[in-house]
Amino acid sequence: EVQLVESGGDLVKPGGSLRLSCAASGFTFNNAWMSWVRQAPGKGLEWVGRIKSKTDGETTDYAAPVKGRFTISRDDSKNTLYLQMSSLKTEDTAVYYCTTEIHWGQGTLVTVSS
Amino acid sequence: QAVLTQPSSLSASPGASASLTCTLRSGINVGTYRIYWYQQKSGSPPQYLLRYKSDSDKQQGSGVPSRFSGSKDASANAGILLISGLQSEDEADYYCMIWHNSAVVFGGGTKLTVL
Repeated sequence: EVQLVESGGDLVKPGGSLRLSCAASGFTFNNAWMSWVRQAPGKGLEWVGRIKSKTDGETTDYAAPVKGRFTISRDDSKNTLYLQMSSLKTEDTAVYYCTTEIHWGQGTLVTVSS
Repeated sequence: QAVLTQPSSLSASPGASASLTCTLRSGINVGTYRIYWYQQKSGSPPQYLLRYKSDSDKQQGSGVPSRFSGSKDASANAGILLISGLQSEDEADYYCMIWHNSAVVFGGGTKLTVL
């Protein structure tokens, strides 16, 4: 059974940093392209970014609102995806999901507030 | 103009069919895209329903009933999610998605009410 389990969400002040993790199991993680998607309270889904597999160059792409502030990485030895977030803004408040496009985690809540 | 436009809400009766549209911005040809559809119930993460590009390039999500199906309306430049035999449990938000210019784009979502 495929499982994606996010962790690391927290309350952080504007300008702060946070790292989210996503532990994957039940599929061949090192072959998967992985994405982060967020959902602000009461709003729709918003793509954050994606990392390709190592064999496809492990390249990353980001949505315009987070480019230069967020970094996606992966550790295939640990079957774990990461989202490093810095210079956080109040508008980054959301539930953050990791996803393969097919499978989704339960999400982790990030609240940016003073 | 948004890349993907979905009606914000739709209502239909139990047992009826509902056609949810996802219209691509002018200049973006629906025929070249795989359109993904997701269902999200209140308080839960999105669930993958299916993807559709053509009748020869489509995929149903694991465990997703066949009463959920995808299609396209080329004349309207839109992807369509058809739900037949509506049930109360189908009440949810539905999102379409495409890969466009190396980025994922979601539609704004349609809130389907079954009453």
